[in-house]
Amino acid sequence: EDKVVQSPLSLVVHEGDTVTLNCSYEVTNFRSLLWYKQEKKAPTFLFMLTSSGIEKKSGRLSSILDKKELFSILNITATQTGDSAVYLCAVGDAGTALIFGKGTTLSVSS
Amino acid sequence: KAGVTQTPRYLIKTRGQQVTLSCSPISGHRSVSWYQQTPGQGLQFLFEYFSETQRNKGNFPGRFSGRQFSNSRSEMNVSTLELGDSALYLCASSLAGATETQYFGPGTRLLVL
Repeated sequence: EDKVVQSPLSLVVHEGDTVTLNCSYEVTNFRSLLWYKQEKKAPTFLFMLTSSGIEKKSGRLSSILDKKELFSILNITATQTGDSAVYLCAVGDAGTALIFGKGTTLSVSS
Repeated sequence: KAGVTQTPRYLIKTRGQQVTLSCSPISGHRSVSWYQQTPGQGLQFLFEYFSETQRNKGNFPGRFSGRQFSNSRSEMNVSTLELGDSALYLCASSLAGATETQYFGPGTRLLVL
C-alpha cells in the first residue's frame, strides 16, 4: 500500500532556530514530491521536487529529495512566528493522485 | 488570476441528509480534485475530474459522488450523511492532473449532527 510518513508529528522551537522536517514514502510509481504549508485554511504550495539531489530554495525555506532512500527534507532557517503552521508532504503516484502524509505541526515561540 | 473558490464555506447538516458542495477552479485549469481532511486521517483523496470525466477515485463509499461541468466548475455530493462525514472538504485545481501541483481552495467545513 502506498504511504507517506512525516516526522516529527509536532515540533516546538524558538524564534531564530533552524528546523528540519522529514518525509519518507513508499509509492508504486513515483512522479513527484510536494511540500505545502497549511495555516488554518487552504494548503499553500511551497515546493515540487522530481529529481534527486537538487535543492529547491525559497527565502529561508529549502528542500531536497533523495529518490534512492525514498525521503525528502524541508529545512527552515531563522524561524519566525509566522512559520507556525502544519507542513504537509505529498507524493504523486503516476496514474492516481497525490498521497498526503499526516503533517508536521510546527510552533515557533517568540 | 483569481484563486480556487468554494461555496459554501460552512455547513451544518443532520444525519441522513444530503449535501452539495461547489468548486470553481483557477481559470484555465481543467483538473479538479476533491479531498477530505480530518484530524485523525489527514488529507485523503476523494476523486479527480478532468474535462468533465472522473479520472481517478479514492477509497470512499459510493455516497460520495461528483461531477464537472463544461466550464470546469465541479460539484461534490454526499448522500445519507453520517456523523463521520464531518470534515473540511478541500477542492484543488491544476493544469494537468491530480499528481501535479495542486492549488487549493479555502475549503467547506461540514458539520454533521
